[in-house]
Amino acid sequence: KAGVTQTPRYLIKTRGQQVTLSCSPISGHRSVSWYQQTPGQGLQFLFEYFSETQRNKGNFPGRFSGRQFSNSRSEMNVSTLELGDSALYLCASSLGSGGAPNEQFFGPGTRLTVL
Amino acid sequence: AQTVTQSQPEMSVQEAETVTLSCTYDTSENNYYLFWYKQPPSRQMILVIRQEAYKQQNATENRFSVNFQKAAKSFSLKISDSQLGDTAMYFCAFNDGGSQGNLIFGKGTKLSVKP
Repeated sequence: KAGVTQTPRYLIKTRGQQVTLSCSPISGHRSVSWYQQTPGQGLQFLFEYFSETQRNKGNFPGRFSGRQFSNSRSEMNVSTLELGDSALYLCASSLGSGGAPNEQFFGPGTRLTVL
Repeated sequence: AQTVTQSQPEMSVQEAETVTLSCTYDTSENNYYLFWYKQPPSRQMILVIRQEAYKQQNATENRFSVNFQKAAKSFSLKISDSQLGDTAMYFCAFNDGGSQGNLIFGKGTKLSVKP
């Protein structure tokens, strides 16, 4: 079974631009979560999508948004980029159903650099 | 709000020896889930071990085991017979059980296994 894939792996943008990152979950997984990883703040939860609906949201400004498609692939968008948005963005997929939280499988991440 | 604290930013251990990584958390929930994730230098995060708070028995996965002290809100990871491939960042994570895809991470412990 193929793992979680993220594209692109590296991205360089300038302040004020917008960016879209993509995540393809493991086949059969319906939940996709996004995390931002920085040296200062560590790993922070952005949002989770399940069956095309945002199920949970972290404490990030509205410039960060996402969506999920019917095939469970997910995209996240950051508008009006700021220098502080430079980070490794990790996507994780899981089955997403059942009472207990399922194991999350992480992708390799997209390294975003904002100049 | 729940928080996760890892007080050891860096640790090192000799190959074949045992090392313990510390993690404390704060929550008012009674039923929740705790995880240890490993992030090797290649960046792909993988699950090491998980513990359900309602289970008194400490989880074990081969050379990895936890010491879960619910009253003390402590969740340490013990790695026995350390191997060079154990070199990685280790993250302690918390899920409140009410939301599937939302993990709260500690800042991580960088473990180096020396030959």
